[in-house]
Amino acid sequence: SQQGEEDPQALSIQEGENATMNCSYKTSINNLQWYRQNSGRGLVHLILIRSNEREKHSGRLRVTLDTSKKSSSLLITASRAADTASYFCAPALIQGAQKLVFGQGTRLTINP
Amino acid sequence: DADVTQTPRNRITKTGKRIMLECSQTKGHDRMYWYRQDPGLGLRLIYYSFDVKDINKGEISDGYSVSRQAQAKFSLSLESAIPNQTALYFCATSDLWNTEAFFGQGTRLTVV
Repeated sequence: SQQGEEDPQALSIQEGENATMNCSYKTSINNLQWYRQNSGRGLVHLILIRSNEREKHSGRLRVTLDTSKKSSSLLITASRAADTASYFCAPALIQGAQKLVFGQGTRLTINP
Repeated sequence: DADVTQTPRNRITKTGKRIMLECSQTKGHDRMYWYRQDPGLGLRLIYYSFDVKDINKGEISDGYSVSRQAQAKFSLSLESAIPNQTALYFCATSDLWNTEAFFGQGTRLTVV
């Protein structure tokens, strides 16, 4: 499968805590993206990390990439209720059809 | 205007009816996708198109067909709708390098 696989499937934390989600993939990538989906809405692009980058920040988001382990993590710091959503990773593969495929995502719940 | 517009947003149809979901985008991208999402699950790829003359099946294309009328328009048809096609459908577009995908707001389809 070309998709990334997110872990855990569900995560519930208290507001203000940090949330970490992981993504694993199977073959070499050009880049990897993370998306957020609020309930019933379309996915929204959060951040992209290229294969030659190890870490990237955007506001309260921190993404890391370990190409040797074929894995990425998304850290949301100081979580807020509005961060409650599903999060998906999408690895952009170097070879193959290069279609955009998503896994089942991580359902993040921030409790007040 | 939204980058990706899906019509209709909601539709209830009867078993056996043919129905078309439409998608248009203003990003000027060549790549377009149709996904299906069932409750609590991730997105599954139905069809994708890398340009006007290119149409490819995704992982769950049976019972669906598509038409790429122009660079900006990609429609999905259910030839003879059945109840298990009740789902949330998303259209998306991305650039050649899959650096960022833009999603429509989704079409909630109910087949009764």
